[in-house]
Formats: sequence, C-alpha cells, structure tokens
Amino acid sequence: AQSVAQPEDQVNVAEGNPLTVKCTYSVSGNPYLFWYVQYPNRGLQFLLKYITGDNLVKGSYGFEAEFNKSQTSFHLKKPSALVSDSALYFCAVRASFSGGYNKLIFGAGTRLAVHP
Amino acid sequence: SQTIHQWPATLVQPVGSPLSLECTVEGTSNPNLYWYRQAAGRGLQLLFYSVGIGQISSEVPQNLSASRPQDRQFILSSKKLLLSDSGFYLCAWRDRGGNTIYFGEGSWLTVV
Repeated sequence: AQSVAQPEDQVNVAEGNPLTVKCTYSVSGNPYLFWYVQYPNRGLQFLLKYITGDNLVKGSYGFEAEFNKSQTSFHLKKPSALVSDSALYFCAVRASFSGGYNKLIFGAGTRLAVHP
Repeated sequence: SQTIHQWPATLVQPVGSPLSLECTVEGTSNPNLYWYRQAAGRGLQLLFYSVGIGQISSEVPQNLSASRPQDRQFILSSKKLLLSDSGFYLCAWRDRGGNTIYFGEGSWLTVV
C-alpha cells in the first residue's frame, strides 16, 4: 500500500540548534515528495518539494530536505531552529493509481516545538 | 499571482441544518480543486476533488457533497449536518500542469 510515515509525534529542540523532522514513504514508481507547515488555526503552507534532480532540496524559511532513495526517506532539516518555527509539519507523497489518477497522501504530522 | 479564498472562516451550526462552504481561486484557469477535512488538528482526509466544471469525485462516502458551478469555484455542502461533521475544512488547488497543491486558510465548522 502507498503510504507516508512520520514516526515522531513531536520533536523538541532548543533555539539555535539544528532540527530534523523525519518522513519515510512507500509508493510505486518515482516519488514526488512534499513538505507543508501549518500554524495554529491556519491552512497548510507549502515549504518545498522533490520531483527529480539534486537530492538536497532547499525551500522556504531556511528549510531543506534530503531525498534518500535507498532509505525511502525525505527528512526535513534546518541548521538553526527559531522559536517561530514551532508548528505542525506534514510530509506528503504523490501516489499514482490505476487510470492515471493520482493524489497526495499525507503523513499524520509532527509537531515541532522550539524552546528559547 | 494565484490566490485562494475560502469562507466563512468560522461557522457554528445546529445539527440538522444545511451547510455551504465556498472556495474560489484567482489567477489561474482550469485548476484541479480539492476539499480536505482535518480532524483533531492532525491528519488530512481528502473528501472531494474536481478536474473541471461539474466533474466531482468523492473519496469517501459521507454526509457531504461538493459542486463546481464555475471553473474556479468549489462548494462544499450538506443538507443536514451531523455532529461528526465538525472539523477544519481546507480547500486546495493545483495547476493542471503543476505538481504542487496549495491550500486555503480553512474553515472551522462546529456542529452543536
């Protein structure tokens, strides 16, 4: 079955330290991978995506993600966390189905808490 | 640039009352449109998607329906709300030739 897993319900990090939010996936074919961020009572904001090319993808607000095909992972990273990065982060993968239909499958989300 | 508008932002409705949530997209033509529901502040469930006017596909059977009367307008409706319909509803769009889905700001629905 095609799926996305975010193994950590919450990640705690001190301001100024590097952060990693983990994501693994299972899809048939080449994966299209995405990260979104959601602040309280707001919609999801697109951060970055991997479609093809360089395995290290840079996105908004200083975030980056590394695609690892052998480990089927797409972890979100930032070298130095800010308190304002505290939010809910979603990993998503585009899954393809018969008849040419495809849709985004979202992980359950990881809550990032950055402490001063 | 493209923008998406979703309203109302907050809605409190009694059980058995009708529902209408609206979403419009500006700055693009013939987008794919989506309705998602987010329960308990976490997981996202795709409810409906549309690839064109009058073309609606439902992901899960439920008490809700969707319509696309115009190219950039997507409406989520119910004739009689249930308590279980409460949640955060998100409209989203994607350019027909693009890969990225973009979300609106969401609508909080509380059924009482």
